[in-house]
Amino acid sequence: AQSVTQLGSHVSVSEGALVLLRCNYSSSVPPYLFWYVQYPNQGLQLLLKYTSAATLVKGINDFEAEFKKSETSFHLTKPSAHMSDAAEYFCAVSDREGGSNYKLTFGKGTLLTVNP
Amino acid sequence: ETGVTQTPRHLVMGMTNKKSLKCEQHLGHNAMYWYKQSAKKPLELMFVYSLEERVENNSVPSRFSPECPNSSHLFLHLHTLQPEDSALYLCASSQDVGLGRHFGPGTRLLVL
Repeated sequence: AQSVTQLGSHVSVSEGALVLLRCNYSSSVPPYLFWYVQYPNQGLQLLLKYTSAATLVKGINDFEAEFKKSETSFHLTKPSAHMSDAAEYFCAVSDREGGSNYKLTFGKGTLLTVNP
Repeated sequence: ETGVTQTPRHLVMGMTNKKSLKCEQHLGHNAMYWYKQSAKKPLELMFVYSLEERVENNSVPSRFSPECPNSSHLFLHLHTLQPEDSALYLCASSQDVGLGRHFGPGTRLLVL
């Protein structure tokens, strides 16, 4: 069974500082991996996804994530935080194989606060 | 309209009421989903429809009844809900299962 662990339910950074949100997964087969962002009173928006191409994935708003198979990690980073990045971030994993496999498992989320 | 839309955005209902949530996707996708998002808990998958057929029901109480009349529309019919059903209900769609979901803005439901 696949699972996702997001280390830290709340991360606080200063504006302009590096953002690092951690995600570790477990999956019996090579996975698809995703990061979603949820702004207040909105649904989830896809930031980026890994689907077996380059291990370093670039997403919207200068976010990127690196798939590290040896560490079973898919951490999300951004070089310089902006006030508008304050939101909740969800990591998710989906098994790749299986003709009808549609399970997308979400982590519990990490709330990012950006301080001026 | 583009993407995934949901109506209403907010809903307050009593435990004896019957109401319906509506979701519409304008992306040409072939799979649609209902998720429940409660505070401090991971997103819970409730129902999955692929090509208009229900392919999963994750042990959801019968007071929640989904309907998928076509590949663009998905409903969640609600009746005799409980206060613990108060949550954000998110609809999503995707092209082929197993890939990223496109989410709607959600319906914030409060059951009194």
